[in-house]
Formats: sequence, C-alpha cells, structure tokens
Amino acid sequence: QSALTQPASVSGSPGQSSTISCTGTSSDVGASNYVSWFQHHPGKAPKLVIFDVSYRPSGVSDRFSGSKSGNTASLTISGLQADDEADYYCYSYTDSNSYVFGTGTKVTVL
Amino acid sequence: QEQLVESGGGVVQPGRSLRLSCAASGFTLSNYGMHWVRQAPGKGLEWVAFIWYDASNRFYADSVKGRFTISRDESKNTLYLQMNSLRAEDTALYYCARDLVEGFPYSYGMDVWGQGTTVTVSS
Repeated sequence: QSALTQPASVSGSPGQSSTISCTGTSSDVGASNYVSWFQHHPGKAPKLVIFDVSYRPSGVSDRFSGSKSGNTASLTISGLQADDEADYYCYSYTDSNSYVFGTGTKVTVL
Repeated sequence: QEQLVESGGGVVQPGRSLRLSCAASGFTLSNYGMHWVRQAPGKGLEWVAFIWYDASNRFYADSVKGRFTISRDESKNTLYLQMNSLRAEDTALYYCARDLVEGFPYSYGMDVWGQGTTVTVSS
C-alpha cells in the first residue's frame, strides 16, 4: 500500500489552469475507476471534488475536472481562484481490497 | 444536517490502547460505508480502515492491520476505532468519514467528514 505519487506543488496565476498528476500502478489507479480527488484546506475537513475518475459531487464547481489514462489520474482546475489554494489528494481503490491516498499536492495561486 | 463528531482522542503511552468514537447525526450510519482516515503532523492523508454499509466486510491499511478494529453500534448510530498496541507513528489527527454512495460496497470517496480527534502516542 504505497502512497500514490503526486507532485509536491503546482502553481498558477488567477484565471489559468493547473493540472495535478497522480501516478500509481496496475494494482491501484489502473485497476478500476474508483479514483477520487479531495481538496484540503489546512484546519478544515477534506472535501470530495471528483469521484469515479471524472464525476463531480453536487455543488462542486465545474472548474474541477478529472481524467485517467492507464496508471495515472489527473485533476485539472480551470480558471484558478484564490480559494483554490489548498492541498489536493488523489485516492484509489487497490486490488488488495484496501484504499490509498496520494502523497498530496500543494496548489499555490500566484 | 448530516454531521459526524469524533471523540476519544488523547495522549497515550506506547503499547497502550484507545477507542475513538464517531457519532453520526442527520443520516443512518449503517446505510453507508464508513472510514477512518488520519493525518500525522506535517504529513498527508492516510486511509486507515473501511467498514461496508452492511458491516459484512472490514478492510485495513497494512500499517494498522492486526492492531486496529473498526466497528459500529447501530443503536447509537456511532462508528468506532479500537486502537491497540499503539506506536509513536500512530500519532495523528483521526477523521471519520462517510462514503459517498448509500448501500454500495466499494468506496467512491468520502463526502461527509468530522472535524477530527487528535491522538498522541508518547511516553
């Protein structure tokens, strides 16, 4: 159950887009579509922003989108806003009947 | 309003036990898969344990397997995490969280979270 690999940080200017990658293996990210993404502002509870690779929960902005190719999933935030500055984590089912988070990515809005 | 409130955290010596509780309100806990997730100081999120909506299966991270047990009390609408043989590396903020889809055996991710309870393992 090794954590999925994410870049430590990404940044972008307001209005730009940023993409976060999440690299796993054929035993986790590549094993199913049970891949999700969470936004986590320090001191608050995490918030689900993408589930099932590319679906948004009710109430989540359509500026958030997800995709997957093979063993790598991606989260794209379009039209960056100041409030998007947070930590982001991918999350995946594994074929050993467990779940695993990514290492986390700090998004900075310049 | 759907809400989760954790309790039971504290300071405990290595090798000792602690039981965390997570009281649910605004929904029936036994209709959903439920998780425990933790975050060590300065570290990322770590999935800890998951109990299916019907409690027929429970799954654990390798780091806690054999030491932690997830359970629930339907009459109290409460989730628990029994933590035995605690280690310094178990020091973390522990969240309970509800899975997104009612009555589904796999996890789509968690849509309702508590605010967490802090566990510190130290002599």
